[in-house]
Amino acid sequence: SQTIHQWPATLVQPVGSPLSLECTVEGTSNPNLYWYRQAAGRGLQLLFYSIGIDQISSEVPQNLSASRPQDRQFILSSKKLLLSDSGFYLCAWSFGDRPNYGYTFGSGTRLTVV
Amino acid sequence: GNSVTQMEGPVTLSEEAFLTINCTYTATGYPSLFWYVQYPGEGLQLLLKATKADDKGSNKGFEATYRKETTSFHLEKGSVQVSDSAVYFCALAYSGAGSYQLTFGKGTKLSVIP
Repeated sequence: SQTIHQWPATLVQPVGSPLSLECTVEGTSNPNLYWYRQAAGRGLQLLFYSIGIDQISSEVPQNLSASRPQDRQFILSSKKLLLSDSGFYLCAWSFGDRPNYGYTFGSGTRLTVV
Repeated sequence: GNSVTQMEGPVTLSEEAFLTINCTYTATGYPSLFWYVQYPGEGLQLLLKATKADDKGSNKGFEATYRKETTSFHLEKGSVQVSDSAVYFCALAYSGAGSYQLTFGKGTKLSVIP
């Protein structure tokens, strides 16, 4: 069966510091991968998605970047965090060609920028 | 483009009350439809899904029927419990060009009081 791991679970970082959040998927190959952000009391905002290694699409201009160094690894980064980067970050994966299966989400990372 | 509209919350119900959360969608063709649930501090979990018209998805006492004629996928439960307190997201998936994405509604927060 497939599993998704996301870490860390919580993170408190000062403004201007770098960020690296990691997400890995096990039990499948060539998954589609996604990063979402959820600000307090708000819905889901798609940040990045990837359909393959070195194939990453950015949905919104921002202070963040994403990389996919391996097939089942997806990393969200920032060189200098802003206060507005605080939020709940969710990684998800899906089969590329099976929309009936939907997405499977990780457990999330609570980021607080202070 | 594709879109999902769900009723805004928050919704507060007493235990054992009947729950309905409305969801309507706009899409071309025949999307798959989903309900996800997010418990406090956690990632999203797939609650139920339906892949074609008149399909009924069900899980944990929750039900939703894919109504193509009204482009709706309303979530219902006959008797809610305190443990059902969570945020519920309606979503649709539409495939094309070998890949697909989920389009999410803004979420509806449900609070069930004893």
